[in-house]
Amino acid sequence: EIVLTQSPGTLSLSPGERATLSCRASQSVTSNYLAWYQQRPGQSPRLLIYGASSRAAGIPDRFSGSGSGTDFTLTISRLEPEDFAVYYCQQYGSALTFGGGTKVEIK
Amino acid sequence: QVHLVESGGGVVQPGRSLRLSCAASGFTFSSHGMHWVRQAPGKGLEWVSFILYDGSDKYYADSVKGRFTISRDNSKNTLYLQMNSLRTEDTAVYYCANGGGYGDYTRLDAFDIWGQGTMVTVSS
Repeated sequence: EIVLTQSPGTLSLSPGERATLSCRASQSVTSNYLAWYQQRPGQSPRLLIYGASSRAAGIPDRFSGSGSGTDFTLTISRLEPEDFAVYYCQQYGSALTFGGGTKVEIK
Repeated sequence: QVHLVESGGGVVQPGRSLRLSCAASGFTFSSHGMHWVRQAPGKGLEWVSFILYDGSDKYYADSVKGRFTISRDNSKNTLYLQMNSLRTEDTAVYYCANGGGYGDYTRLDAFDIWGQGTMVTVSS
């Protein structure tokens, strides 16, 4: 089973700042099948990125994904108030596993 | 519009059973594999189970294998999760989810449609 480790656990930033979230896999992710989700309090997860770098339908272009192999990054170029939430990475190249999440909170 | 609506959650004692349902609408349910994903209170996401579009193949996480059974009724556009021998560690919000076809296999996918979830609490 591929273990995904997300860092940092919590990111304290102000609106308008840039957020950089990391997801590291214990072994290479097949075909870079890595997704990112946003989960706001009391809501279901929302798919942001699939295939490491492709934005899902309706996702603003301030969200971008990058990386390959074992190291992946989600970048939010300028934080909007609605972006303060928890973010999870997921690999779907072999079995299905999720990272532990990164909380982006208002500084 | 695509909708997934879970139901059937509640409070149950350890060792007892519960059946969750997920009603689908807005897409051709009978053509899509479906998943259950759960989230313990204050914790992260955990994939639970997958069923192929026609019910002919099923997969389970090791943590629920032998206790949970996934099934579907395509005539009713409904997905089910039968949960037996429940444990306190099964306490979670249970989501049904639909993959977007982003991988090589329907059982390995990213989820672009999620229900609102149903809470299962296992406690004596």
